[in-house]
Amino acid sequence: NAGVTQTPKFRILKIGQSMTLQCAQDMNHNYMYWYRQDPGMGLKLIYYSVGAGITDKGEVPNGYNVSRSTTEDFPLRLELAAPSQTSVYFCASSPPGSVTEAFFGQGTRLTVV
Amino acid sequence: DAKTTQPPSMDCAEGRAANLPCNHSTISGNEYVYWYRQIHSQGPQYIIHGLKNNETNEMASLIITEDRKSSTLILPHATLRDTAVYYCIVRVAGGSGNTGKLIFGQGTTLQVKP
Repeated sequence: NAGVTQTPKFRILKIGQSMTLQCAQDMNHNYMYWYRQDPGMGLKLIYYSVGAGITDKGEVPNGYNVSRSTTEDFPLRLELAAPSQTSVYFCASSPPGSVTEAFFGQGTRLTVV
Repeated sequence: DAKTTQPPSMDCAEGRAANLPCNHSTISGNEYVYWYRQIHSQGPQYIIHGLKNNETNEMASLIITEDRKSSTLILPHATLRDTAVYYCIVRVAGGSGNTGKLIFGQGTTLQVKP
């Protein structure tokens, strides 16, 4: 049972490049989330999904896109990378049910230069 | 979602109890109090949650005041490995159309000292 797997672990992008951060979970969780964490700050919610085909914006969605074609995968897309998107990105998932805990991946450290 | 207020930092001696406070004065009746911690930039880790009763598990105890406007996370015998940022989060339960999303604040940096 791998839990929540994020790839890659590290990436350096040039300004204007695009990339997709991958997130996969093998726990059959309905809910999935993307967060970013800037140095010394708490986590900010970018996008979330309550099931396949359903996504919604979080606190800081600008500059990002997501899709949820399967229960297992929730990729985060950066179309035109900017230095302000330098951050650590965390993916999380929650099982179905009324009161549940979220499981987090180990993060992707992204630097835009 | 209700907001929370936590002290930015705290120290604790190794082996002693660490008591981490959290204020959530605008909490609603259907909102739970959750605690997570983040060790050295790893992904956050769930610790405990509660609605109105005190809760205990193998990691910690959660004490919620009767009016539910504040709570305290207790690590009974802190070790050096408990040094982390601790987040208190008020969250609507998932299911029945709710997203159950977690909104993080700044958290409390707990430093456990030898």
